[in-house]
Amino acid sequence: QLQLQESGPGLVKPSETLSLTCTVSGGPISSRGYYWGWIRQPPGKGLEWIASIYYSGNTYYTVPLGSRITLSIDTSKKEISLKLTSMTAADTAVYYCARGRLNSAEVAGFFETWGRGTLVTVSS
Amino acid sequence: DIQMTQSPSTLSASVGDRVSITCRASQTISTWLAWYQQKPGKAPKLLIQKAFSLESGVPSRFSGSGSGTAFTLTISSLQPDDFATYYCQQYHVYPLTFGGGTKVEIK
Repeated sequence: QLQLQESGPGLVKPSETLSLTCTVSGGPISSRGYYWGWIRQPPGKGLEWIASIYYSGNTYYTVPLGSRITLSIDTSKKEISLKLTSMTAADTAVYYCARGRLNSAEVAGFFETWGRGTLVTVSS
Repeated sequence: DIQMTQSPSTLSASVGDRVSITCRASQTISTWLAWYQQKPGKAPKLLIQKAFSLESGVPSRFSGSGSGTAFTLTISSLQPDDFATYYCQQYHVYPLTFGGGTKVEIK
């Protein structure tokens, strides 16, 4: 049974860089037809997709985060890493890692397995 | 970007009620739509994908319908475990976008 576990600092200072890791267990990290995504949820608010990475290494990022965000995969460690620079209070949220299943056009997909999420608070 | 609009934002209902939640896309997304259930402090759980395909293990009282720009999630007989917040998500194109959520409360 596939399991995802997010890890990283719970508290980040403004202007610092956030580094989060998603560790995959119980299933493969590279598999055609699937991809990995990060979704965040500010306290009391809705879900916001922020980034995806495919088995091919292709990445998609939400435009509002622009060049601040970077995703990478370490297949040997079965980890997906997220880096978000220049953190502000607006980045305070629960960050979820999820595995996505692609649609038949293999363009995008829904999220079938989610991690428990990790709360990241931006504060001095 | 494709905007996803859910209504209502809050729904008050009783156990046994039939409830429906609407999700509208700002442009056509075929049937590339998923529905999730989220309970407080928990990760979202996938209920339905491709607008109407029920995920394994999801009770049959949940159903999805629609195509193009208008979609509906229906719970045929609301159970105590169903009080939660529900989100739709389009996966037709990037950026992936979610609806604002519908909170189903106890009446």
